[in-house]
Amino acid sequence: GESVGLHLPTLSVQEGDNSIINCAYSNSASDYFIWYKQESGKGPQFIIDIRSNMDKRQGQRVTVLLNKTVKHLSLQIAATQPGDSAVYFCAENNGPNAGKSTFGDGTTLTVKP
Amino acid sequence: DTEVTQTPKHLVMGMTNKKSLKCEQHMGHRAMYWYKQKAKKPPELMFVYSYEKLSINESVPSRFSPECPNSSLLNLHLHALQPEDSALYLCASSPAADYEQYFGPGTRLTVT
Repeated sequence: GESVGLHLPTLSVQEGDNSIINCAYSNSASDYFIWYKQESGKGPQFIIDIRSNMDKRQGQRVTVLLNKTVKHLSLQIAATQPGDSAVYFCAENNGPNAGKSTFGDGTTLTVKP
Repeated sequence: DTEVTQTPKHLVMGMTNKKSLKCEQHMGHRAMYWYKQKAKKPPELMFVYSYEKLSINESVPSRFSPECPNSSLLNLHLHALQPEDSALYLCASSPAADYEQYFGPGTRLTVT
């Protein structure tokens, strides 16, 4: 199953399906965006990033899309696996305040076997 | 060494105590960060050090005092904390200030 459009606090998908996690950002001056994964009892883990001069970037099984017109960011996970179950945060960096990362509320992804 | 380490893992302290949290990285990163994270909430930035100098202080109360003794170490000194300061305190580092961050496992702090 997939979910597009609105940010959802939780997302449940079947193993093997694709997942889409959405994020809306607020600061037009933000020029760098990062997705992090946080598993229970651990610190956030870097997944993938994108700068504002790009609109798409691909990694291993993950793709990030950036739409600056509507200030929207999405993370696509292909062939979702049980190990992908975690909370996913998007973060925006404000260019003039390099290093100031503001995290979104997070989406809890649950993968059903 | 590709990890950020934090000590202690857990800390319980009274409101009159003084304690310190420690963070270390050996990745040659030149930016280091402290975050506070409450249960089921996103991390909130507290401080940023860039090239061992404090570059961002997010209006954090003075009972939290950061220190960066060298490029590998970051401390957070705690004094006269309140129960609402109980949270997970995360340290992170990045190659420079505007790059992806690598987080430690955090210190779970309880103020009684």
